[in-house]
Amino acid sequence: EVVLTQSPATLSLSPGERATLSCRASQSVNTYLAWYQQRPGQAPRLLIYDASTRATGIPARFSGSGSGTDFTLTISSLEPEDFAVYYCQQRTNRLVTFGPGTKVDIK
Amino acid sequence: EVQLVESGGGLVQAGGSLRLSCAASGFRFTAYSMNWVRQAPGKGLEWVSYISSSISTVYYADSVKGRFTISRDNAKNSLYLQMNSLRAEDTAVYYCVRDGEWDSFDCWGQGTLVTVSS
Repeated sequence: EVVLTQSPATLSLSPGERATLSCRASQSVNTYLAWYQQRPGQAPRLLIYDASTRATGIPARFSGSGSGTDFTLTISSLEPEDFAVYYCQQRTNRLVTFGPGTKVDIK
Repeated sequence: EVQLVESGGGLVQAGGSLRLSCAASGFRFTAYSMNWVRQAPGKGLEWVSYISSSISTVYYADSVKGRFTISRDNAKNSLYLQMNSLRAEDTAVYYCVRDGEWDSFDCWGQGTLVTVSS
């Protein structure tokens, strides 16, 4: 099983600041890595797939990078609605794992 | 508009059974593989099960293998999860989720809460 580790667990920032979230895989997943946003009381929403491709309707301030085992989600300038929990996810041999999440909260 | 609507959640005693349903609309259901993903209260996301578009392939997380059964009715645009021998640790919101590109999950239902009392 591929284990995903996310850091930091919590990121405290102010609106307008840049957020950098990390996801590390225990073995290479090539670029088969996705990112999701989950706001309180809501279902997760796909932000990024193929490590760096924005999903439909996702603002350009969200960007993803990385390949192999190290990945980054960057939010260039935080909007009030971006304060949420972010998860990374991969599928290898049809078994899916998620990272434990990074909470981005208001400083 | 793409929609996934889950139903069937509720309170059940440990050892009991429950069947979740997911009604899909707004897209060609037969073209997509589907999944169930769950989230225990205050916890992260856990993938539960996968079924291919043709129903020929299914996969399960080790935590539910032998107890849960995923199925679909392509004529009814519906996905199901039969849950048997339920345990307290199965308590979670269960999401119906569509497979997207590059092994991502591109559409999620609003979830249905399953509570297993011990």
